[in-house]
Order: sequence, then structure tokens, then C-alpha cells
Amino acid sequence: GAGVSQSPRYKVAKRGQDVALRCDPISGHVSLFWYQQALGQGPEFLTYFQNEAQLDKSGLPSDRFFAERPEGSVSTLKIQRTQQEDSAVYLCASSLAQGTNYGYTFGSGTRLTVV
Amino acid sequence: LAKTTQPISMDSYEGQEVNITCSHNNIATNDYITWYQQFPSQGPRFIIQGYKTKVTNEVASLFIPADRKSSTLSLPRVSLSDTAVYYCLVGGNNAGNMLTFGGGTRLMVKP
Repeated sequence: GAGVSQSPRYKVAKRGQDVALRCDPISGHVSLFWYQQALGQGPEFLTYFQNEAQLDKSGLPSDRFFAERPEGSVSTLKIQRTQQEDSAVYLCASSLAQGTNYGYTFGSGTRLTVV
Repeated sequence: LAKTTQPISMDSYEGQEVNITCSHNNIATNDYITWYQQFPSQGPRFIIQGYKTKVTNEVASLFIPADRKSSTLSLPRVSLSDTAVYYCLVGGNNAGNMLTFGGGTRLMVKP
């Protein structure tokens, strides 16, 4: 597609429920990032993939958070046993792995509300 | 990673030039300076990136002094649609370099 696509756009989950958030990066983009953005704050790094390899997951806040990108394209961020503090916008970004002065392309995010 | 400091908010009027300055005193030799723009309910959008001196594109200009400890994003003749949050980031520009966002500057353009 022309841009990074994320689904669903909005998700309401009851506390304790598991959720799965999907990211379709731009075709051919090697690098893929997940960010979490709380209301009124800047995005915070969660995890990074290069193709199917998860090279950095230092930003994942707990072991309830899990991300995968099995075929090096679509990625899924899974949150188990959701808690209210997980409420945020989850952003996905992708980029080509070459050249300089490139920018990351972000999706519009998934707004998760845990009630 | 170099930390950035920028104003929390700024107000301007349509047609004016807006300059947003970002401080990054601990910038490393191989760090680039990148600015992103974010509208409500959207992800951040790349605006401009530079290493030193001046960079200009169709959207903005980026001024970087010789010591690189600060940078200024210049938006010429802003319109209401430029109302957004603007983030200044510093870091390497190799694929896989994590972007570290601060709180950003909330620009409000008034008619």
C-alpha cells in the first residue's frame, strides 16, 4: 500500500482481556518499529524489527507485551491481560534500510482504551 | 542518546513565519537532527533532517549553528493547517536507529 496501515483504529478492551494490534508496513520496508503514545506525551519506543528479526525489545513495559513479524512484513503487537495503564495510542512505523536523510513513515495508530 | 529541549507551546497567526528552537547540548558527532510533525489522531510525519548549516525543502527550513548544540525549525507563512505538535529528535540516521521523542512543541496558528 501507499502508507503504513494499522488496524483496528480503535479498540476498547475490558481489563484482563487480550488484544492484538496489526501493522501493515509499506511494501519493501525492512525496518519496523512499535511506539506507545500516552495522551499529551510524545511517542515512546517499544520494539524494533529488521525483517523478521526482533532486534530490540527493550521498550516493552512488561512480559504482557509481545510483538512478532514472522514473515518480515505484517507485524502484530499483542497485549495480554490488559490493564488500565495500557490505554494509549500504539503507533507503527516503517522505513527502508538504506540511504541517508530518509524518514520513518508512521501509521495513524490504534487507540486502545482499557475499561 | 542526546536529550532535546524545546518550548512546550507556541502561538502564531496566519501568514507569519514561525521559528521553533530545540536545544541538544549533548549531541554526538554522528547524530543527525530530525523534525517530525504530528496532527491529532495521526502518526508523526517526517518534515526535515539535517546535520549542519542549513537545509531547506518545500515544507520548512532547518538552521543548525556550527556547534550543533541547537537547531531551529522555520515554517514560512504558516496557515491554520500547520497547527500541530512539532518534535525535535537527534540520533543516528541508520536504519534501525530508534527515534527518541520528547514532549514536542504545540504550535497553535490563529486566524
